[in-house]
Amino acid sequence: QVQLVESGGGVVQPGRSLRLSCAASEFTFSSYGMHWVRQAPGKGLEWLAIIWYDGSKKYYADSVKGRFTISRDNAKKTLYLQMNSLRDEDTAVYYCARGVAGAFDQWGQGTLVTVSS
Amino acid sequence: QSALTQPRSVSGSLGQSVTISCTGPNIDVDDYNYVSWYQQHPGKAPKLIIYNVNKRPSGVPDRFSDSKSGNTASLTISGLQAEDEADYYCCSFAGSYTFGVFGGGTKLTVL
Repeated sequence: QVQLVESGGGVVQPGRSLRLSCAASEFTFSSYGMHWVRQAPGKGLEWLAIIWYDGSKKYYADSVKGRFTISRDNAKKTLYLQMNSLRDEDTAVYYCARGVAGAFDQWGQGTLVTVSS
Repeated sequence: QSALTQPRSVSGSLGQSVTISCTGPNIDVDDYNYVSWYQQHPGKAPKLIIYNVNKRPSGVPDRFSDSKSGNTASLTISGLQAEDEADYYCCSFAGSYTFGVFGGGTKLTVL
């Protein structure tokens, strides 16, 4: 059974950095594009970033471009999201998701990031 | 980035059918192929229920179906069950390297 497990969330002050991880198992991680999606408390879903299966291409939503960096280590079957210059509005549950045919077919359970002084 | 518009809430009775609309400028002939629908129960991760023009992942019942008319995609849930009560999100590829634009979500209440 496909598993995606996020970690690295927590409470961080505005302007600081945080790195999220997403450990994948039970599928060929290196064959899939991967995404990060977030959900602010009581709000809807927001797509953040995609990385190609081999890491060769990366694209970002305007809201995080220049501040967040998506990366992956296929040998470790792990996806990352480096988040810099965090703002109050970045407070959300962050999900990693597998990309298939233009959709997000498998999701992790999410990790909560709270940006607060 | 384009925005997708969904009704904030819909309701239906057990056994009945309900339709949730999703309207946006990128839901045209080409990008309709990339419209997907997600179900989210409170405190849980979203779950893919429809993608790629009426494809359903394994385990998703055929009570869930989608359609399109003009710039509006629609999710229809027939034979409503209590466990269908959840939030539903549509999503579309928006071009220009934006790989997912979500609608605001629709809360389905099963009466």
